[in-house]
Amino acid sequence: EAGVAQSPRYKIIEKRQSVAFWCNPISGHATLYWYQQILGQGPKLLIQFQNNGVVDDSQLPKDRFSAERLKGVDSTLKIQPAKLEDSAVYLCASSSGGYNSPLHFGNGTRLTVT
Amino acid sequence: AQSVAQPEDQVNVAEGNPLTVKCTYSVSGNPYLFWYVQYPNRGLQFLLKYITGDNLVKGSYGFEAEFNKSQTSFHLKKPSALVSDSALYFCAVRDSASYKYIFGTGTRLKVLA
Repeated sequence: EAGVAQSPRYKIIEKRQSVAFWCNPISGHATLYWYQQILGQGPKLLIQFQNNGVVDDSQLPKDRFSAERLKGVDSTLKIQPAKLEDSAVYLCASSSGGYNSPLHFGNGTRLTVT
Repeated sequence: AQSVAQPEDQVNVAEGNPLTVKCTYSVSGNPYLFWYVQYPNRGLQFLLKYITGDNLVKGSYGFEAEFNKSQTSFHLKKPSALVSDSALYFCAVRDSASYKYIFGTGTRLKVLA
């Protein structure tokens, strides 16, 4: 099966600019996650979708971050405006949704904010 | 509250020796436990999981993990380490009482030739 696709792989922007990341999960996976991974740390959940509904966005900085999953398939994460501390790898993952289902990760987008 | 701890930032082991990467967890319901590996510039890859049943779980690339309910631990093991096992390893836990999927801070494994 095709894996989780993410683009772009790398992005460099200046602070206060905006940026968007795209994710296409594994076909048929109902649950989609966006994680932020700062260098040297574990992934931190930003938002979780079940189909096209939000299950958990409690750690999403909603004043600058937004995400959508139209039609319950692919998803877009946006940052506007970016701050220096947003420099990180943004990982998208999907799963079939059961409690014992592992997550399948894309290769991530490495964002550098200068 | 649900949490997972990886007490070692880095583990060094000689090639051919057994390795252990430690993980402890805290949940309010039944735990679903997972190990993932991350190579440079890649996403996390699933290694193995514990649901219920046998306390020794076998996974990909010769890795296994031992579940210990009384010690709330789920340590990752391999009988004979390879240089190619050098990577970042993450433990994760999902609580049956919650949908949340929490990752540890990661342990860097370095296998020395």
